[in-house]
Amino acid sequence: QVQLQESGPGLVKPSQTLSLTCTVSGGSISSGSDYWSWIRQPAGKGLEWIGRIHTSGSTNYNPSLKSRVTISVDTSKNQFSLKLNSVTAADTAVYHCARVPYCSGGTCNTGNNWFDSWGQGTLVTVSS
Amino acid sequence: EIVMTQSPATLSVSPGERATLSCRASQSVSSNLAWYQQKPGQAPKLLIYGASTRATGIPARFSGSGSGTEFTLTIDSLQSEDFAVYYCQQYTNWPPLTFGGGTKVEIK
Repeated sequence: QVQLQESGPGLVKPSQTLSLTCTVSGGSISSGSDYWSWIRQPAGKGLEWIGRIHTSGSTNYNPSLKSRVTISVDTSKNQFSLKLNSVTAADTAVYHCARVPYCSGGTCNTGNNWFDSWGQGTLVTVSS
Repeated sequence: EIVMTQSPATLSVSPGERATLSCRASQSVSSNLAWYQQKPGQAPKLLIYGASTRATGIPARFSGSGSGTEFTLTIDSLQSEDFAVYYCQQYTNWPPLTFGGGTKVEIK
C-alpha cells in the first residue's frame, strides 16, 4: 500500500509563495499511470481540489487557482510538489497530497478520478 | 463547475442503527461519484467509488447507490468507529473535481 507524506513550512507570509512536497513510499511514483494530486481543507470546512500531475509532466489545475499554482514532479526522489504564489489568509488550510489511481479493482481507466491514498496533511498558516 | 450538496449537515444516530446520507449534484454526474470518511485529525479515507463499488477493505455495512444527480450512502448497524464526517466527490465533469460540504454523523 502506497503511503504519502507532506512536508514544508507551516507558516508563510502574505504575498509570498507556499511550497510543499509530498514524498511517496511503498511504491514508485512512476511505476504506473497514476496521477498525483493536492487537495486542501480550511479549518472546519470542506475539501477543495487544487490540481494533479502525471509523471509525464501532464498537469490539470482547479480554474479558481490556476493562475497561482504550479505542481511539479521529481521521479528521482519519488516526490511531487506544490507551489502556490501570492498567498493570502484565505489560503490557510491543511494541505493533503493524494493518489488518483489509474487501476482500481482490476480495472484500469483514465477516468478513475477519485483519491485512494492520502497523506495525513500539513497545516499551512498564512500570516505576517 | 458542478456543485455537490450534502444533507443533512449533521445526522444523529444511535449505535447499531442505520444512517442514510444524501448527496445531490447540480447536474448529472452519471455514476462518477465517490464517498470518503474523515475522522478528526486524519486524512479522508476512500469508501466508495463508481457510486456503489466499495474500496478495498471497506466493510459491507457501507453501501452506495444512485446515479445522475441523486446519491445515497447507507451505513448499516453503525459502529463506534463510524462516527465521522462523510464527503461525496464527483469526477465526471472537471476541472475542477468537486466535493460536497460534508455530513457529520454523530452519536445520538
